[in-house]
Amino acid sequence: QKEVEQNSGPLSVPEGAIASLNCTYSDRGSQSFFWYRQYSGKSPELIMSIYSNGDKEDGRFTAQLNKASQYVSLLIRDSQPSDSATYLCAVKNSGYALNFGKGTSLLVTP
Amino acid sequence: DAMVIQNPRYQVTQFGKPVTLSCSQTLNHNVMYWYQQKSSQAPKLLFHYYDKDFNNEADTPDNFQSRRPNTSFCFLDIRSPGLGDAAMYLCATSSGVDEQFFGPGTRLTVL
Repeated sequence: QKEVEQNSGPLSVPEGAIASLNCTYSDRGSQSFFWYRQYSGKSPELIMSIYSNGDKEDGRFTAQLNKASQYVSLLIRDSQPSDSATYLCAVKNSGYALNFGKGTSLLVTP
Repeated sequence: DAMVIQNPRYQVTQFGKPVTLSCSQTLNHNVMYWYQQKSSQAPKLLFHYYDKDFNNEADTPDNFQSRRPNTSFCFLDIRSPGLGDAAMYLCATSSGVDEQFFGPGTRLTVL
């Protein structure tokens, strides 16, 4: 069974702080990694993709990948209340399917 | 704008009454997916198409069927909905080697 694990939270951070979301995966052959944001009652929205070890930055978001440790993380700088959502980690193994974690609920408090 | 469209956004059906959900895309992507997502759970892949090649997940119930008449459209048929099938149904597309993009979803209620 190929697993993607996330802490369900809620993770609570004050406005303006850095939110750190973590994800581990079991399949060493995984090649592609994605972070989706999902607001309550809405569909997942892709916010970051990462394919190689290291950091990838896009605005306030930084994705970090460590394939040796089978670990991928998402940092959100200057967190805003509008960032409050569930963040889904998704991993592509072989083929075309994504394997999703259950998501981490983030709450940014004013 | 290129997008993934799902209709209807909300569907109410009765126990055992067949229902069809539709998805269309203007992205011209080869791959289309159907996911089921229940509250506080991860999206669960039901099946996907690469062009016309259908791929069913091993644990997808026979009650769920799909059709892809052309590149742009894909349908999810639930032949005899049960109370346990109430969920958000998500359609997604991808070019096959890159990210998946989701439609807004259809919220299914079974009475």
